Amino acid sequence: ETGVTQSPTHLIKTRGQQVTLRCSSQSGHNTVSWYQQALGQGPQFIFQYYREEENGRGNFPPRFSGLQFPNYSSELNVNALELDDSALYLCASSTRPTGELFFGEGSRLTVL
Amino acid sequence: ELKVEQNPLFLSMQEGKNYTIYCNYSTTSDRLYWYRQDPGKSLESLFVLLSNGAVKQEGRLMASLDTKARLSTLHITAAVHDLSATYFCAVDISASGTYKYIFGTGTRLKVLA
Repeated sequence: ETGVTQSPTHLIKTRGQQVTLRCSSQSGHNTVSWYQQALGQGPQFIFQYYREEENGRGNFPPRFSGLQFPNYSSELNVNALELDDSALYLCASSTRPTGELFFGEGSRLTVL
Repeated sequence: ELKVEQNPLFLSMQEGKNYTIYCNYSTTSDRLYWYRQDPGKSLESLFVLLSNGAVKQEGRLMASLDTKARLSTLHITAAVHDLSATYFCAVDISASGTYKYIFGTGTRLKVLA
């Protein structure tokens, strides 16, 4: 059974640029959630996708957007990067919208 | 505003000792989860608590949920160094088909040999 995989693992961008992060969900999972974890903080919920539809969103501006594909993989896009966007971005998949989350290893984004 | 607070934020304890981490939340929910995070790593699911009075145990860790008090506890028995990590509780407050899942502030545990 393949777990949740994320890419890239590390990346560096400059302010104002755009970034796309990718996530492959665990086999058999149809729900993907994205979280932002700043250093020393708990994960903050960005949004969730269930069967290709956004199913919930946290307090993040519209420049954070996402997609889920028919194979249940997902992308997180962030436009107009700001310094405060520097964080670990975690993807988690689950078998249903409300359930135990299985996390990937994360993508660490540094914005200079 | 929903708050999920953990107490303590930092915990340094000797091997062999017992201790409890508390997770308080400010809204109604009967679904609570505990996760472990090692430094620089992702989160690992520890416990799923889905009803009032639920109790789960795995090794030296035991978690419980009191939905009336809006409180969950994670009890550590006879701590060992390998338990050193950051522990997060997370509350599922999904409603009306809209999902929302809030993590606590985290408790950084250090077990001293």
